[in-house]
Amino acid sequence: DSGVTQTPKHLITATGQRVTLRCSPRSGDLSVYWYQQSLDQGLQFLIQYYNGEERAKGNILERFSAQQFPDLHSELNLSSLELGDSALYFCASSVASAPWGTDTQYFGPGTRLTVL
Amino acid sequence: TQLLEQSPQFLSIQEGENLTVYCNSSSVFSSLQWYRQEPGEGPVLLVTVVTGGEVKKLKRLTFQFGDARKDSSLHITAAQPGDTGLYLCAGDYAKTSYDKVIFGPGTSLSVIP
Repeated sequence: DSGVTQTPKHLITATGQRVTLRCSPRSGDLSVYWYQQSLDQGLQFLIQYYNGEERAKGNILERFSAQQFPDLHSELNLSSLELGDSALYFCASSVASAPWGTDTQYFGPGTRLTVL
Repeated sequence: TQLLEQSPQFLSIQEGENLTVYCNSSSVFSSLQWYRQEPGEGPVLLVTVVTGGEVKKLKRLTFQFGDARKDSSLHITAAQPGDTGLYLCAGDYAKTSYDKVIFGPGTSLSVIP
């Protein structure tokens, strides 16, 4: 158990819909990261928040957005869903916002999104 | 476009055997990480290598970063069923932020008792 929690574990929805994925970081961690893992694209970094502010943005679609709240939990909002958005979405957390490779990220168990 | 390739894609071996998996790129990386991911779980960091030629050991796992920092290998000695999982390498090529990080497609390892 990494200490990072994600809900829901599974989500099945239809094209065109909007969903919200939730992540609670490990106690004391200020950074939250979102990743998408699909069979054809592998694991891709989406976005990072540190203490409520956006710090880095990766391959995140405009239909997707995220935020980190004062209690440090984070939500990833996916809208106008398409079949290709079906994937595992992981949240990770770390203590600080150090350059990649210098701070250990702890991954949650993921949310499996299926778009029908 | 920066790419990380991993080989082999799939590997099935008997308990007790040794194996090596590879991570290759045409780009120079500032650092490279190896993760293991088990079904239904998120990746778990195994090691970070930073210096060209660096070798790190984690029990039966030996990690090496190429001299030119473009490739890496993971060697497992006397594999055990608990080693089963997806091994991912990830590198950053800009030494700045997470948007310059790329992950390889992974090597799926199955160790048969």
